[in-house]
Order: sequence, then structure tokens, then C-alpha cells
Amino acid sequence: NAGVTQTPKFRILKIGQSMTLQCTQDMNHNYMYWYRQDPGMGLKLIYYSVGAGITDKGEVPNGYNVSRSTTEDFPLRLELAAPSQTSVYFCASSYREETQYFGPGTRLLVL
Amino acid sequence: GESVGLHLPTLSVQEGDNSIINCAYSNSASDYFIWYKQESGKGPQFIIDIRSNMDKRQGQRVTVLLNKTVKHLSLQIAATQPGDSAVYFCAENIYAAGNKLTFGGGTRVLVKP
Repeated sequence: NAGVTQTPKFRILKIGQSMTLQCTQDMNHNYMYWYRQDPGMGLKLIYYSVGAGITDKGEVPNGYNVSRSTTEDFPLRLELAAPSQTSVYFCASSYREETQYFGPGTRLLVL
Repeated sequence: GESVGLHLPTLSVQEGDNSIINCAYSNSASDYFIWYKQESGKGPQFIIDIRSNMDKRQGQRVTVLLNKTVKHLSLQIAATQPGDSAVYFCAENIYAAGNKLTFGGGTRVLVKP
């Protein structure tokens, strides 16, 4: 199993541009999550999903959108990139209420 | 890789000594606690977990202690090795809240040879 994979690893965006961060898991986990991590801080939950077709907001959802059309994929969309969205983004998955497994992260720089 | 935890509290420990990392959690309703290890440029990696009905759990070279009275969690690493150098995060989870983790601020551990 590859576990949780994320693409791209690194991206530079200009203010106002849009992009999609990809996340895929091959563990057949029904729960998936998106977090952001700013320097010197812990992770903050952006959005999560408890199954295909179901998504919900986390602690810091503003400026982001998600969809969950399949069990495996949980893309995160930034519509109008802002400097405040410069961060490292982590995707995670879990089997119900159990340990979350994290991907390697996507580093995003908005200039 | 990405530098995580530029301003985190740091624990310096001599190789071979034991390390103790502390964490204060906020919600007395939390059901489940997890310790994660994060190396530079990588995602958090699961170390050990403990449920709220337990006060101690042991793994390979690691022990987690839970004190619900004072809402305190600790991670003990025995015979610390250079590969243990990383940032360590505790996280708390309330099942009824949709399995959403709330992360603590993290502690950087530096192992001196």
C-alpha cells in the first residue's frame, strides 16, 4: 500500500490564482481530512469527510472547498489564493474513529 | 524540506538518556489521545495512542501516561536515539465530534550524540 499520497509537493501561486491539491489513499478508509500547518504551529483542520458524498467544515474552512466523489480521493480547492494561505497542507485518512494516517504534505507559497 | 516548529519549545537530550515530553489538553470530554512524530519535511507519523479509560500504555521504547484529573498527557521515550530527533505533537479526539483531532503546539526534541 502506498498509504496517503499528495500532489504536488510544492507550488508557488500568485495572488488570485486557483489550484487543486490532490489527495489519494489506498487503504479503503472512509474518513479523510485536510489540515494546514503554519510554521511553529500544530495542525488545523480545514475540511473533513466521513464518506463519499459527505463533507463538513473544520476549524479554518474559509477560502477552501472540497469534494468527495470517491472513497479514495479528497481534493482541496483554493479558488482565489491569498498570502494568508501560504502554508503546508496535509491530507489524512482513518478507518472510522481510529488513528489518522498522514500524507507527506504539499508546501504552498502565495506571492 | 519544510522547517516545522521554528518557535517551538525544545527539549535537548543526550543520546541514550530518557526523554519526557509533556502536553496539556483542553477538553475533559476527549475520548482518545494520540502522539505524533514529525520529521522535517514530512507528515506526522503515528507513535502511540491511549483511550480515556486508561492511564498508561506502553509501546516499543515509548510510554504514554494520561492524568485526567489535571488534563495532562506525557510521552516517555526510553534510550533516546538520534533518529528520535523531531517535533512531537499530542492530539485529542472526541468521537462524538466526528473524529476531529485537536493538535497541541508541539515540542522539538534534539538528540545530542
